[in-house]
Amino acid sequence: SYVLTQPPSVSVAPGQTARITCGGNNIGSKSVHWYQQKPGQAPVLVVYDDSDRPSGIPERFSGSNSGNTATLTISRVEAGDEADYYCQVWDSSSDHHVVFGGGTKLTVL
Amino acid sequence: QVQLQESGPGLVKPSETLSLTCTVSGGSISSYYWSWIRQPAGKGLEWIGRIYTSGSTNYNPSLKSRVTMSVDTSKNQFSLKLSSVTAADTAVYYCARDDFGVATNWFDPWGQGTLVTVSS
Repeated sequence: SYVLTQPPSVSVAPGQTARITCGGNNIGSKSVHWYQQKPGQAPVLVVYDDSDRPSGIPERFSGSNSGNTATLTISRVEAGDEADYYCQVWDSSSDHHVVFGGGTKLTVL
Repeated sequence: QVQLQESGPGLVKPSETLSLTCTVSGGSISSYYWSWIRQPAGKGLEWIGRIYTSGSTNYNPSLKSRVTMSVDTSKNQFSLKLSSVTAADTAVYYCARDDFGVATNWFDPWGQGTLVTVSS
């Protein structure tokens, strides 16, 4: 089955740019979606279809996807961005089903 | 604005069936897929499966033999049954609207989640 690989943790200083990667075999051929989850809360969609933002999500959140890596980029990081981030795709290669990455803990130093 | 709310027992005995319902408010349940996703404490997200308002389903292959989903459009609700539960099924269970495009889907919005503990 399809596997998505994320780094367990990423650290960044306030005001800097955070990049969270999501690796998968030829992931560039799939649409990737990203979720933010703060402690004790449900996940929130922050990027869908590689690079689109739902209404209400700041422009500081952006996404890209090519080759074997998709990337969530958070510009001008704020303390409130500290959270777990998950990538997600739809795997239509065999049994049609959803795959999540293992998640990345973003720490704002 | 669509909102989702999970409901059901917070404690289930081993070998029994976990049953949860998600109530959708602020919009119609029709013409969407609706998914269940779970998260054990301190771990990542695991998709359980989804149901369309016609009753069509897709399940996670690893849980398929134990999962049944249903939908009640008259009540704007959909439900999850997971049979033969063990301690490994202890998790926060979320329901979510499953928006979809061509060969893809994403989840927005999500319910607040409900903790289900499997213990005797």
